[in-house]
Amino acid sequence: AQTVTQSQPEMSVQEAETVTLSCTYDTSESDYYLFWYKQPPSRQMILVIRQEAYKQQNATENRFSVNFQKAAKSFSLKISDSQLGDAAMYFCAYRRDNNAGNMLTFGGGTRLMVKP
Amino acid sequence: DGGITQSPKYLFRKEGQNVTLSCEQNLNHDAMYWYRQDPGQGLRLIYYSQIVNDFQKGDIAEGYSVSREKKESFPLTVTSAQKNPTAFYLCASSWTASRGTQYFGPGTRLLVL
Repeated sequence: AQTVTQSQPEMSVQEAETVTLSCTYDTSESDYYLFWYKQPPSRQMILVIRQEAYKQQNATENRFSVNFQKAAKSFSLKISDSQLGDAAMYFCAYRRDNNAGNMLTFGGGTRLMVKP
Repeated sequence: DGGITQSPKYLFRKEGQNVTLSCEQNLNHDAMYWYRQDPGQGLRLIYYSQIVNDFQKGDIAEGYSVSREKKESFPLTVTSAQKNPTAFYLCASSWTASRGTQYFGPGTRLLVL
């Protein structure tokens, strides 16, 4: 079974600085997808960024980028120029690339605090 | 607006009572999902549906039931057999069951009186 581990329960960053959130996963599959979701205090899950395992290029979305290391099974999220609105829980998630229901496996989350 | 709606936002259940959480989407997505989130934890899959009139158990289906009579709707019933139902429930949908990013609704918080 796939597992996703986020080893940092909490992180803090100064406004305008950069922070990196860690995620590792365990799988025997070669084709899969990885996601970072943000859960602000409203508790709605918001997609931040997505990475296809077959792509070597790291995904980027504005101030958010990932460092995808397939051999190491590592998928970290870098937030540049941190803003107060970035404060939230961040969840890493894994999905197999097959027809087995598109199910997501989530990590335990990292709470990001942004200091003004 | 296109999106996923969940109702109610808060729901209270008495001991021995069944309650139903609503999830509706107008994104024309084939697949829909129910997750449970306990405080300080990640999401766990309860049930998912790949197409109308079909659904599959997830990791923690005991004490829950679902139906998928319409493409837009995937209600979740929390039965009296679920002994610890207090949690935050999130519904999600995606284009298909095999592909497509999952998008989430705003969630329902269920509390036991």
